[in-house]
Amino acid sequence: QQQVKQSPQSLIVQKGGISIINCAYENTAFDYFPWYQQFPGKGPALLIAIRPDVSEKKEGRFTISFNKSAKQFSLHIMDSQPGDSATYFCAASGAAGNKLTFGGGTRVLVKP
Amino acid sequence: GAVVSQHPSRVICKSGTSVKIECRSLDFQATTMFWYRQFPKQSLMLMATSNEGSKATYEQGVEKDKFLINHASLTLSTLTVTSAHPEDSSFYICSASGAADSGNTIYFGEGSWLTVV
Repeated sequence: QQQVKQSPQSLIVQKGGISIINCAYENTAFDYFPWYQQFPGKGPALLIAIRPDVSEKKEGRFTISFNKSAKQFSLHIMDSQPGDSATYFCAASGAAGNKLTFGGGTRVLVKP
Repeated sequence: GAVVSQHPSRVICKSGTSVKIECRSLDFQATTMFWYRQFPKQSLMLMATSNEGSKATYEQGVEKDKFLINHASLTLSTLTVTSAHPEDSSFYICSASGAADSGNTIYFGEGSWLTVV
């Protein structure tokens, strides 16, 4: 049973555009929702994370929007740059530090 | 941010042999470490969770006798792939959780490519 569903699987965006990745979860016990960025051949790197007590969190060009009632959260990458081309994973856990359940990943390609 | 180091980054071994991968938390004490496996263009699959000084908890379908995990100290966990076969070839990634900063953030290592020939 896939507990975190991520879409789209891949995304192509022009430089300067907005990349939007969506995730939906099923387990209402999830309490921590991080996003990770992974470049080919590298381990995932934490990008930004949110807890369900807030509806939005912004760090630089990256924003998480969270809808607790819909059990959905999304990542917006503003002013996308070619260096943002990577695979992005959403994840969820019962609490920070607990094991993560990952979404399927989204491969983002930013064209110059 | 906290650093988690994996070694080796790449390893090639012969079928039937065992190979050990190390995961170290360099600047914090990792009370919990996680081991993942990732196939090309796929998501991370959690293999097991290890807490310092206790036996690892394996996810369903992961052979504990084949993938031996040891978490002997608060800064080191090892994954040993025993009697490796070509189908064990994969990208193995560890992550660590500890009070490096507020929130017990999970940090990932750089991964280890295992090729079994």
